[in-house]
Amino acid sequence: QKEVEQNSGPLSVPEGAIASLNCTYSDRGSQSFFWYRQYSGKSPELIMFIYSNGDKEDGRFTAQLNKASQYVSLLIRDSQPSDSATYLCAVRRSNDYKLSFGAGTTVTVRA
Amino acid sequence: DADVTQTPRNRITKTGKRIMLECSQTKGHDRMYWYRQDPGLGLRLIYYSFDVKDINKGEISDGYSVSRQAQAKFSLSLESAIPNQTALYFCATSQGGLAGASTDTQYFGPGTRLTVL
Repeated sequence: QKEVEQNSGPLSVPEGAIASLNCTYSDRGSQSFFWYRQYSGKSPELIMFIYSNGDKEDGRFTAQLNKASQYVSLLIRDSQPSDSATYLCAVRRSNDYKLSFGAGTTVTVRA
Repeated sequence: DADVTQTPRNRITKTGKRIMLECSQTKGHDRMYWYRQDPGLGLRLIYYSFDVKDINKGEISDGYSVSRQAQAKFSLSLESAIPNQTALYFCATSQGGLAGASTDTQYFGPGTRLTVL
C-alpha cells in the first residue's frame, strides 16, 4: 500500500464548477497535510495546509481533513481554466519534517 | 530574484559521467531537500539536510551524494550517471526551527531536467 494515494485523473470539470480532489494516507500518526499545485514543467507551489479535523478555506480553495478516515480532500470552487494543473497531496508524520507525496491528480477545466 | 534557484535548468549527459546539480536559496531557511520526480510516481526524497553539519538519506539515495557547502547551498551529485536517473530534480527549503514540524512548509526551486543517454 502506498503511503499517500491520489486518483491520477484526469479530472475534467466545466468552468465555474466545483472540482473535488481526494487523498488517502496510510500512517494514522500523520499530523499535517499539504496541497501543492504544479503546472506542466513547473515546480510545485503551495496552495494550503491543514492539520486539524474539519474544513479550512482560503479563497476559492477548501481543504477538508478527516483523520479518523485517514482522508484529506481539496475543493476548488468556481473552477477557472487557470486551475488546470496537477495537484499534489503531501503528508507529514508526527514529529518528522519530511513530506511524503502522492503521485498527483491532473485537473482540466473546460472553458 | 527567485528565493530558491537551481542550476543548470536543463542538462543532457551520457552514461557514466559525473554530474552536479546546484541549489541556492535566499530565504534564510535551515532545511534543504532534494527530490526527483518521475511521471506517475510523484516526488521522491533523495537527501535532506537540517543544517550544514546534518545530512540524511531519503528513500532513494542510492547512486546519489550531496554536499551542504553553506546554509544557503546544497548540491546533488550523480557520481556515475545512468539512464534511469533521467528525471526532473527539485530542490526545496523549509524554515524549521521554531516553526515546528506541523506547520513547516517546503518551498520548491524551479527544477532541473536531467537526461542521461
